[in-house]
Amino acid sequence: EPEVTQTPSHQVTQMGQEVILRCVPISNHLYFYWYRQILGQKVEFLVSFYNNEISEKSEIFDDQFSVERPDGSNFTLKIRSTKLEDSAMYFCASSEAGTGSSYNSPLHFGNGTRLTVT
Amino acid sequence: AQSVTQLDSHVSVSEGTPVLLRCNYSSSYSPSLFWYVQHPNKGLQLLLKYTSAATLVKGINGFEAEFKKSETSFHLTKPSAHMSDAAEYFCVVTRGYNKLIFGAGTRLAVHP
Repeated sequence: EPEVTQTPSHQVTQMGQEVILRCVPISNHLYFYWYRQILGQKVEFLVSFYNNEISEKSEIFDDQFSVERPDGSNFTLKIRSTKLEDSAMYFCASSEAGTGSSYNSPLHFGNGTRLTVT
Repeated sequence: AQSVTQLDSHVSVSEGTPVLLRCNYSSSYSPSLFWYVQHPNKGLQLLLKYTSAATLVKGINGFEAEFKKSETSFHLTKPSAHMSDAAEYFCVVTRGYNKLIFGAGTRLAVHP
């Protein structure tokens, strides 16, 4: 079964540094997402991406964050000038259609990247 | 606004006994609902989804959930727990076209 793959599985960075989290969505999927889970807290929506542009973003997703689909297979999340509170598990996901569509397309998640900011 | 409440943060059962994980939702329109499972150091795996075609939804690994509009509930059940079911379970509702709203999660422990 096709999978969403994320690299690296663990990333340690110093406060103020930039990090890029990488994801390869399922090949025939059109919608891409980033979610994060701070330890002990809920899984939170960050951003959705469709047709090479952001379709929706949360209040968390400020100017510090950006997403990009640099080629036909990768989907990246860049975090500039990382802060201690950015430490979390970051999940990439993809789906065939929008989650609220009549097709009721579920998201397929990767195993996550655990980001630790020191 | 759409939201979900998982009524139990921890559930503990013995192997071979039934599992019930409770979820209530709030939605201003007919919701799309899902249950996801997260095993340790793994990603989020879809267990089942509510499509509005049937109120009783069957998922993988013997799990099922029943959509009850009158009770605004979408509880997850399994007749007989297995040790491998130990994990964290998330009830999820869609908000808009592109966003999932997760519940706080229920950690299921299964004892021999």
